[in-house]
Order: sequence, then structure tokens, then C-alpha cells
Amino acid sequence: DSGVTQTPKHLITATGQRVTLRCSPRSGDLSVYWYQQSLDQGLQFLIQYYNGEERAKGNILERFSAQQFPDLHSELNLSSLELGDSALYFCASSVGLGPHQPQHFGDGTRLSIL
Amino acid sequence: AQKVTQAQTEISVVEKEDVTLDCVYETRDTTYYLFWYKQPPSGELVFLIRRNSFDEQNEISGRYSWNFQKSTSSFNFTITASQVVDSAVYFCALSEGNRGSTLGRLYFGRGTQLTVWP
Repeated sequence: DSGVTQTPKHLITATGQRVTLRCSPRSGDLSVYWYQQSLDQGLQFLIQYYNGEERAKGNILERFSAQQFPDLHSELNLSSLELGDSALYFCASSVGLGPHQPQHFGDGTRLSIL
Repeated sequence: AQKVTQAQTEISVVEKEDVTLDCVYETRDTTYYLFWYKQPPSGELVFLIRRNSFDEQNEISGRYSWNFQKSTSSFNFTITASQVVDSAVYFCALSEGNRGSTLGRLYFGRGTQLTVWP
């Protein structure tokens, strides 16, 4: 158990809809990262937050947004969903900000778009 | 260009065989970090090891060992006396230390599916 909690574990929805994925980091971790894992693209970095502030952005679509709240949990919002958004979405957390920090991953949310 | 290349898509071995998973990386940064993660069939990603660019010492942890060679930009992972429970997808990842804009971002390889048969 990594200590990172992601909910829900599975999500099935239709094209055009909007969903929210939630992540609670390990106790004491200030950084939260979101990744997308798909067969086409592999594991891709989406975005990083540190202590409530956005710190790095990767291949995140404009239809996607995220935030980190004062209690450090994070949410990833996906809107106008398309079939190609079907993927496993991981949240990870680390103690601090630096590239040397091991990231500890949650179990992921499997999103299926019908 | 792919920053992390895992050329072996799938490897199958029989229990007790040794197996090496290859990882080649590409970066212009002088400071960087390399990681290995394991993804068992249940789907979670489990952190195994971190190496920094200044430390080329090999590391051994039980049946696992890692060989980091800057000269060939490789960070290979060997499992000795493999077991069925080692069956998983193994990912190599890189984070770069010189660029603030990508701080903390992990670049993953495509993974190697290891199957260990009894």
C-alpha cells in the first residue's frame, strides 16, 4: 500500500460528459502528480502541484484541468470526454518538489468512455 | 524523441532463471535521476529504486540488482533466480534536474512485460 488513495477505482461514462477524479496524497507529501496511461501513449505526465500551486505541466489537454486544495488532496477534471480519453489515470505524490523525489503512485482510476 | 527506451517489449523466462531488463535514456541535463517501477497485474505502480546521475555504483537489494553506466546511458535491472511473483510490467523512468519548468516530471519508457513461468 503506497498510502496514496484514488477514487473512484472505475468510472464508466459517455462521450461529451465530464468527470472528476480524486486523489489523496500520502501523509506528509506536498507534491501531487497526475499521469495518464494508455495503450497508445504509454505513461504520460499531465500536471504537478506543490502545496496548492501548479508547478509543472505536461501533455495535458485544454479539456482537462486540475487543482490541489488546502488539505493537499487533488482533483483532475476531464470534460467533453472523447473515446480516446479512455485510460488509466494515476495520481502520485512525493514529499517535496525536486526531481530526486521518488513518486509514490495510487492504484489508479480506470476511465472507460462508451 | 523518446527520452527513455526499453527495447524489450516482452520477456518470458522459467522460474529460477536470471533476467535482465534493459533501459537506455537520453538527456542533456548534467543532473538527472533514474527510477524503476513495477506494475503487477493488479495495476498499481510500485517504486523500486532511484539512482542519481552522480552515483554510478551498482546496487543490490535481495534478488534485485541495478547496473548504471553513464558511458552507455543505460540503467539495467537484473532479477536473479526469478519467481512467478516477479511477473509484471517493469518501467524505467527519468527525471531531469536542470530545468525548473519540468521539475519532478517523470519520463517513462514503454515498459517490459516480464512473465515468469513455473
